[in-house]
Amino acid sequence: DGGITQSPKYLFRKEGQNVTLSCEQNLNHDAMYWYRQDPGQGLRLIYYSQIVNDFQKGDIAEGYSVSREKKESFPLTVTSAQKNPTAFYLCASEGLAGSNEQFFGPGTRLTVL
Amino acid sequence: SQQGEEDPQALSIQEGENATMNCSYKTSINNLQWYRQNSGRGLVHLILIRSNEREKHSGRLRVTLDTSKKSSSLLITASRAADTASYFCATDISSNTGKLIFGQGTTLQVKP
Repeated sequence: DGGITQSPKYLFRKEGQNVTLSCEQNLNHDAMYWYRQDPGQGLRLIYYSQIVNDFQKGDIAEGYSVSREKKESFPLTVTSAQKNPTAFYLCASEGLAGSNEQFFGPGTRLTVL
Repeated sequence: SQQGEEDPQALSIQEGENATMNCSYKTSINNLQWYRQNSGRGLVHLILIRSNEREKHSGRLRVTLDTSKKSSSLLITASRAADTASYFCATDISSNTGKLIFGQGTTLQVKP
């Protein structure tokens, strides 16, 4: 059953804590992306990776970090430096960057308590 | 910064009617894509139209692109209650990076 998965579905964090959101794909896609969505808004790009061991900042990278050690995995860490982290986080993958459609995971809803 | 501006922000129609959503953008694009999002879920790709194409069809979906006006429209014909969702346009403005810029979306409600 191919696809892209995110975990957990819901995440609660206390202020000052770092949290890591998981994103895994078994589609053999080279490119992966992290987006943030706020209520009633479109998606904003946080980080993206076109290939293993390489990633670039998106439009709103401050307070976030990523790694791409394996092709299948692109975890996102929301650090304590992110001032307003409560949001819906979406991960996506694409066969070859810029080639086609992006496939999205189901999302993780992060709430800071 | 948001490139895509969509209108209307919200649309409510009866089942069987057609729904039209519009997207305007600011800079030159390689392609424009439309995605659908059910409440609290991930996005699903609907259709991609390249900058050298003017119209594309997929089932009950029809997308047009006018690069001179920097605008696109998505038409859903014979709508169904299951079409209730948010619809986003996304523009690909860079070569080979895959970066998409999303609009704020149109929320469509189809009443049975």
